[in-house]
Amino acid sequence: EAGVVQSPRYKIIEKKQPVAFWCNPISGHNTLYWYLQNLGQGPELLIRYENEEAVDDSQLPKDRFSAERLKGVDSTLKIQPAELGDSAVYLCASSSARNSPLHFGNGTRLTVT
Amino acid sequence: RKEVEQDPGPFNVPEGATVAFNCTYSNSASQSFFWYRQDCRKEPKLLMSVYSSGNEDGRFTAQLNRASQYISLLIRDSKLSDSATYLCVVHTGGFKTIFGAGTRLFVKA
Repeated sequence: EAGVVQSPRYKIIEKKQPVAFWCNPISGHNTLYWYLQNLGQGPELLIRYENEEAVDDSQLPKDRFSAERLKGVDSTLKIQPAELGDSAVYLCASSSARNSPLHFGNGTRLTVT
Repeated sequence: RKEVEQDPGPFNVPEGATVAFNCTYSNSASQSFFWYRQDCRKEPKLLMSVYSSGNEDGRFTAQLNRASQYISLLIRDSKLSDSATYLCVVHTGGFKTIFGAGTRLFVKA
């Protein structure tokens, strides 16, 4: 079984520039999550999808962050414009059902300079 | 108060030691619980689920105490390779999945 695939692995951008992250979940997993993780902290949920519906985006800073999951499979997370404080690891995860374990991708390490 | 809180780390233990971590949660309606392991600069990986009756996987034992709203992870006969950050995860029902901040474990020779 192929795991969750994320790209890119690393991204360095200047502040005020846009950036996008891509995630392909495990085949058949209807639930997809985007998390943000800062050094020394646990992952913090940004948005959760059930199929193509965003069921929890309460922690997503909607003034600069957006996400989409067209056709209920792949997902893209975008930041525009990026700020210095957005430097973190962005993790995508998927699960087979609502309360099932999450499977994570390798993450994208974003550095904003 | 955070919805999920873990023991502050780091824990520094010698090889062969037994170490235990606790994790408390605030939502009494929480439905499922997990322990994840995260190595430095890697993604979290599922270590084990936590069942009401308690469960064991080799040297690892997980327990759930619903009355006191905490879960625990016990590691026996610690190995150098157990050095990592251990994250507890709580599904609170509905669509909320919350991670603790993690507890760092260092096992030394």
